[in-house]
Amino acid sequence: IAGITQAPTSQILAAGRRMTLRCTQDMRHNAMYWYRQDLGLGLRLIHYSNTAGTTGKGEVPDGYSVSRANTDDFPLTLASAVPSQTSVYFCASSDTGTGGDWQFFGPGTRLTVL
Amino acid sequence: AQTVTQSQPEMSVQEAETVTLSCTYDTSESDYYLFWYKQPPSRQMILVIRQEAYKQQNATENRFSVNFQKAAKSFSLKISDSQLGDAAMYFCAYRSASTSGSRLTFGEGTQLTVNP
Repeated sequence: IAGITQAPTSQILAAGRRMTLRCTQDMRHNAMYWYRQDLGLGLRLIHYSNTAGTTGKGEVPDGYSVSRANTDDFPLTLASAVPSQTSVYFCASSDTGTGGDWQFFGPGTRLTVL
Repeated sequence: AQTVTQSQPEMSVQEAETVTLSCTYDTSESDYYLFWYKQPPSRQMILVIRQEAYKQQNATENRFSVNFQKAAKSFSLKISDSQLGDAAMYFCAYRSASTSGSRLTFGEGTQLTVNP
């Protein structure tokens, strides 16, 4: 692994189903983030984690939950998917302790909820 | 809350020419960071350039440079000698320097087409 990986690459999901998007980084970054990208809206922050064991809500957290059990993994769960959650989801990470404050992004997951 | 606005949904440029993408932001903070990210058709988000608000000098990375006007809250990206590989969606982003972590606020994006 080099950088950030996300799985699956794409997924079609029936409304009401539970879904977990996976994100793993191997850079030992302390902070991780989940964004959703929608046309005309750019990327919007869903949830974030400044360090393992802590999480926080972003701009559009409703319907999503996250956990950060260790440094490397930051899964995003949709408990009961709805069509408005159709989007491209990006995981990102950053090392906030060294001054390299820019974020590295994963390749994204395209999710379609029918 | 901070907001970022990109008023040009689409732009086009001839190969080898120069193009400027606009970005404005709204904040009450004095210390922050600004970024431009590029998203080609591959969907990968790639950092193009970053600017620290306390630095007056405009950032430059090869053919990419910014015009940072702090008082006007403007942060435009200039691409010189445009190449076909520059065709992508470009996002402007803001990050507060005062909050822990580095959460980004993005603009809506500008789709850049490069014509041969």
